[in-house]
Amino acid sequence: DAGVIQSPRHEVTEMGQEVTLRCKPISGHNSLFWYRQTMMRGLELLIYFNNNVPIDDSGMPEDRFSAKMPNASFSTLKIQPSEPRDSAVYFCASSRQGSNQPQHFGDGTRLSIL
Amino acid sequence: GQQLNQSPQSMFIQEGEDVSMNCTSSSIFNTWLWYKQDPGEGPVLLIALYKAGELTSNGRLTAQFGITRKDSFLNISASIPSDVGIYFCAGQPGGSNYKLTFGKGTLLTVNP
Repeated sequence: DAGVIQSPRHEVTEMGQEVTLRCKPISGHNSLFWYRQTMMRGLELLIYFNNNVPIDDSGMPEDRFSAKMPNASFSTLKIQPSEPRDSAVYFCASSRQGSNQPQHFGDGTRLSIL
Repeated sequence: GQQLNQSPQSMFIQEGEDVSMNCTSSSIFNTWLWYKQDPGEGPVLLIALYKAGELTSNGRLTAQFGITRKDSFLNISASIPSDVGIYFCAGQPGGSNYKLTFGKGTLLTVNP
């Protein structure tokens, strides 16, 4: 079975540019999560979708960050304009709805903003 | 917000040795999870714990949900080189069926 698929795996861009990260959750999972991982802060939840609807975006750092989930099989995380401090590994995870449902992570996008 | 203290930060051991790592929280969790992350990959779930006092094994791995609900440990017995990686604990508070707080991780190196 295919796991969570993220693209691109690596992204290097100059500050000020728009960055779009993509995620395809596991089929049948209706919860989707975007995380950011840095050495300083570890893994942090940015936003949580349930049935394509954003439920908790309290972790989104600022207005430069936005996320969408137009359908059950696709989500994007966009940063515009990007800044060097946005450099991190961004993970998408998905799970079935309900308690005790484990989150399955993609392999992440390593983002470097120069 | 809730804080998770994971220790040790790193460990260097010889192949065949047993390993223990733990996480403590300033508040109560209803679920404890242990993940492993290999370089260039996402975290993979190893063990999930749902009840205080629960002791669960997965092969050479054993984890326990502390009685106080504020701590958990993970043991790895007879370590092998492929155990190398970063191990994360994660806790889920009551009242949430999705929010996870992650520890900062334990980097494990196994010398063959």
